[in-house]
Amino acid sequence: NAGVTQTPKFRILKIGQSMTLQCTQDMNHNYMYWYRQDPGMGLKLIYYSVGAGITDKGEVPNGYNVSRSTTEDFPLRLELAAPSQTSVYFCASSYGGGLIYGYTFGSGTRLTVV
Amino acid sequence: AQTVTQSQPEMSVQEAETVTLSCTYDTSESDYYLFWYKQPPSRQMILVIRQEAYKQQNATENRFSVNFQKAAKSFSLKISDSQLGDAAMYFCAYRSAMVRNKLVFGAGTILRVKS
Repeated sequence: NAGVTQTPKFRILKIGQSMTLQCTQDMNHNYMYWYRQDPGMGLKLIYYSVGAGITDKGEVPNGYNVSRSTTEDFPLRLELAAPSQTSVYFCASSYGGGLIYGYTFGSGTRLTVV
Repeated sequence: AQTVTQSQPEMSVQEAETVTLSCTYDTSESDYYLFWYKQPPSRQMILVIRQEAYKQQNATENRFSVNFQKAAKSFSLKISDSQLGDAAMYFCAYRSAMVRNKLVFGAGTILRVKS
């Protein structure tokens, strides 16, 4: 049981480039989330999804897009990368709102924009 | 909006000793859930313990226990018999019972375990 798998683990982008961070889960969780973690700060919610075909913005959605065509996959798209997007990105999933078992997180993607 | 504050950026504990990590939160809600997550160097976030606000009894999971003071809006984590594998960043998190899609995190506390 792999849980939540994120790829890549590390990436360096140049300003203005685009990329997609991949996230897949094999637990049949209906909720999925993207967070970013900046040094000295807690995780901030970028986007979330409550099921296939349904996505919504979190606290810091600007500069990002998501899609949820299947229950398993929830990719995060960065368009026109900026230095402010340098961060560690975490994908997470949960059954329902995560009250009973919390969230299951991936191991993160460290992104540097130069 | 809810906020979570972890006032200790870093803590150290001797192996086999006990350490307490602090967390306070601000909310006007009466029904909510609180969590402690552990983030080891592997970066994976691991759920340590959870507490429902409507329960007066403090949650316990093996060597991990919490001191939940609802009136004071305090939610501290106690780790007993500390082990080297406990070394990690610990995050306190809040989730409203009404707003299902948002987990609010504190800034984290780095725990170092000395042998």
